[in-house]
Amino acid sequence: GDSVTQMEGPVTLSEEAFLTINCTYTATGYPSLFWYVQYPGEGLQLLLKATKADDKGSNKGFEATYRKETTSFHLEKGSVQVSDSAVYFCALRRLTGGGNKLTFGTGTQLKVEL
Amino acid sequence: DAGVIQSPRHEVTEMGQEVTLRCKPISGHDYLFWYRQTMMRGLELLIYFNNNVPIDDSGMPEDRFSAKMPNASFSTLKIQPSEPRDSAVYFCASNPTGQNTEAFFGQGTRLTVV
Repeated sequence: GDSVTQMEGPVTLSEEAFLTINCTYTATGYPSLFWYVQYPGEGLQLLLKATKADDKGSNKGFEATYRKETTSFHLEKGSVQVSDSAVYFCALRRLTGGGNKLTFGTGTQLKVEL
Repeated sequence: DAGVIQSPRHEVTEMGQEVTLRCKPISGHDYLFWYRQTMMRGLELLIYFNNNVPIDDSGMPEDRFSAKMPNASFSTLKIQPSEPRDSAVYFCASNPTGQNTEAFFGQGTRLTVV
């Protein structure tokens, strides 16, 4: 079945540091890939997405590129801020054969310190 | 639209009592999902509906859990009888049909069973 694997957290960085959160997936066909973010006390919200190979999703300074050859969708940001502290979830969805439901990774907690 | 609305936001109940969580999806969304989030198990999909019909309830932990969607604008998740291990944050999410569509999450119900 479909699955998503994320790097273990927590990840602790100083403000303005470079961020990478690794994500790899297993799925047949051509899934769409997503990053969701969860701020403390809130539900998940979409951060960015990519719908086909080599697409780059971007939002709020975050980027991720859909790499089919390595089945990866790593999240990056060049300079993190304290306000980026949150839990980040990688996810995939397949409409055909996947039931149109999101398959989530376990989440990676990011802590950014001054 | 006000987004996905869940109630109550917080619920504290005694072991053995019945608990009902409620969700109003975004109008026009034909998929509705119930998730449970705990520190130990992360984010788990419990059940999801398409056009008010349950599609996959394989994530429902046991017979004490049940979910209904009597119409397109309302769903409930019921736990009877509740147990301390059911303590978690329960999220409802909805999205329209489509592999690339964004899932919108409610703010969750924090359930504590004492």
